[in-house]
Amino acid sequence: DAKTTQPPSMDCAEGRAANLPCNHSTISGNEYVYWYRQIHSQGPQYIIHGLKNNETNEMASLIITEDRKSSTLILPHATLRDTAVYYCIVRVAGGNYGGATNKLIFGTGTLLAVQP
Amino acid sequence: GAGVSQSPSNKVTEKGKDVELRCDPISGHTALYWYRQSLGQGLEFLIYFQGNSAPDKSGLPSDRFSAERTGGSVSTLTIQRTQQEDSAVYLCASSLADRSTNEKLFFGSGTQLSVL
Repeated sequence: DAKTTQPPSMDCAEGRAANLPCNHSTISGNEYVYWYRQIHSQGPQYIIHGLKNNETNEMASLIITEDRKSSTLILPHATLRDTAVYYCIVRVAGGNYGGATNKLIFGTGTLLAVQP
Repeated sequence: GAGVSQSPSNKVTEKGKDVELRCDPISGHTALYWYRQSLGQGLEFLIYFQGNSAPDKSGLPSDRFSAERTGGSVSTLTIQRTQQEDSAVYLCASSLADRSTNEKLFFGSGTQLSVL
């Protein structure tokens, strides 16, 4: 799986949009971009994923550049409960059934601190 | 519905003892993963199960670590002759592992293992 690069930490004011960047310059054509987050003392939680089109769900939006070498996770109205470590991961999706490549490789992520 | 359940939530053991950690995945999820997270660190992949088979054991750190899964459901991670460096949070995750592009991993809350 391609390696990703994220800033170690970011601050955001409560109620404002949080924009978390991720670089994945070596991404392959069949690799998706996934975002997970980990709130303190909990297991990681899936947020969103995409291939090349921008995606939006109830939690966040994902903007992927045209060359797919970077992406941005957007939390439109950050709350204190969004304080967490956010992980950007690239991997082949579709359940490589029975294969050995299904694992998610977590980097160190970005610690987002939402300030009141 | 019930999520991924792990037990015990906390385990304190003495160096040299064996420990067993249990994971109950979400019903119907065929894929199961074990990760560990040392204090202040990212997630480290240990092993991946598809059904009862483990096609990827590449993350097990030594032969003191083993895992099994029975009935395509419950998994047990066993650490023999525990060492202090085994102290970490051990996280289990499961997924449907179907061939859709919307595969999500669902994580449990983990077992905090402390080796004295």
